[in-house]
Amino acid sequence: DTGVSQNPRHKITKRGQNVTFRCDPISEHNRLYWYRQTLGQGPEFLTYFQNEAQLEKSRLLSDRFSAERPKGSFSTLEIQRTEQGDSAMYLCASSLGGAGGEQYFGPGTRLTVT
Amino acid sequence: DQQVKQNSPSLSVQEGRISILNCDYTNSMFDYFLWYKKYPAEGPTFLISISSIKDKNEDGRFTVFLNKSAKHLSLHIVPSQPGDSAVYFCAARDGYAGGTSYGKLTFGQGTILTVHP
Repeated sequence: DTGVSQNPRHKITKRGQNVTFRCDPISEHNRLYWYRQTLGQGPEFLTYFQNEAQLEKSRLLSDRFSAERPKGSFSTLEIQRTEQGDSAMYLCASSLGGAGGEQYFGPGTRLTVT
Repeated sequence: DQQVKQNSPSLSVQEGRISILNCDYTNSMFDYFLWYKKYPAEGPTFLISISSIKDKNEDGRFTVFLNKSAKHLSLHIVPSQPGDSAVYFCAARDGYAGGTSYGKLTFGQGTILTVHP
């Protein structure tokens, strides 16, 4: 069991640049979630995929953010024209759904926008 | 509006004693409640969960209690160990909406637990 993996672990970028993060969920999990965590806060929901379909998006996900999950396997989260307020930890989680539906998190990607 | 709140930013406990972490929520549509533990530079690790139709769930040293009328849950760790020192997050899962549960989690702000040897 390799768990959820995320790449890169750290990204430093200049304001205005585009960045893309990747998440590889646990292989048999059909549900995939993206969350964002800022200092001193709990993770906040961004978006949810069931297989390849993006079924829910938070209002936190502005039009500069886009997420995909082609073929229902790995997922990417892209942020265009980054702003300093985008600096945060971006967490990916996967689950099987159903009763309990525990979500298993990856190590996160720490984004710093300078 | 903060639907899940952990009002204690930190808790300090002696090794071997009980740690009690608290969480309050406002949304009665949540169907599951979960506790996660987080170390620095790592993602949250799932600890234990409880269905909204239960009032207690136990797993080894960890017990979660749910008081639906008070919209309050707590995590008890007995006995506490220095390795338990971490940030603990309470999370609540969205219940079914129109027959489909998307299952997104709403997290509290976290409580830093320090267990002293």
